[in-house]
Amino acid sequence: GAGVSQSPRYKVAKRGQDVALRCDPISGHVSLFWYQQALGQGPEFLTYFQNEAQLDKSGLPSDRFFAERPEGSVSTLKIQRTQQEDSAVYLCASSLTKRGHYEQYFGPGTRLTVT
Amino acid sequence: AQSVTQLGSHVSVSEGALVLLRCNYSSSVPPYLFWYVQYPNQGLQLLLKYTTGATLVKGINGFEAEFKKSETSFHLTKPSAHMSDAAEYFCAVNGNQFYFGTGTSLTVIP
Repeated sequence: GAGVSQSPRYKVAKRGQDVALRCDPISGHVSLFWYQQALGQGPEFLTYFQNEAQLDKSGLPSDRFFAERPEGSVSTLKIQRTQQEDSAVYLCASSLTKRGHYEQYFGPGTRLTVT
Repeated sequence: AQSVTQLGSHVSVSEGALVLLRCNYSSSVPPYLFWYVQYPNQGLQLLLKYTTGATLVKGINGFEAEFKKSETSFHLTKPSAHMSDAAEYFCAVNGNQFYFGTGTSLTVIP
């Protein structure tokens, strides 16, 4: 079956532009997570959805970051007024269980470069 | 609070040699522990996981890890390295969210 997909795979944005990153989780997965992975670092948690409810957004670095999952499936991570420090790979993961305690399935990521 | 420490950001082994990647964790609750592998320009793939039960966990591609509560460790091993094992490896602990280590880059020397 299909895994987690993300689009675009690569995005170059000029500083100050808004970007939208899309995640298509595995069908039927309850939980959806967004992570930010800086170069040479491990993924860092951004936000978590259980179905359409955003239950944890404690990892979002600023109010320029916004995520939604309106119908409990596809999710979009939006970054407003991008800055150079936003350059990173943004990973999406989904899980069949609440909180993804047992296993999370990751997409290939979107590499964002802010120039 | 949960956290993960991976000792050694880069590990090099000869093909056919033992692979040992170290991971220590801290957790205020009984941990669920994971090892993920990441190949260039790809997402993370689960190698193995420990939730409950047997402390020696076997995963894909011949990898295994042992949960040692007394040492708060979850080291990853493979008896014989293969060229295709060259990748980035991440240890993670699950609390309210996943906490990942900073990763270990494995190089396999032919």
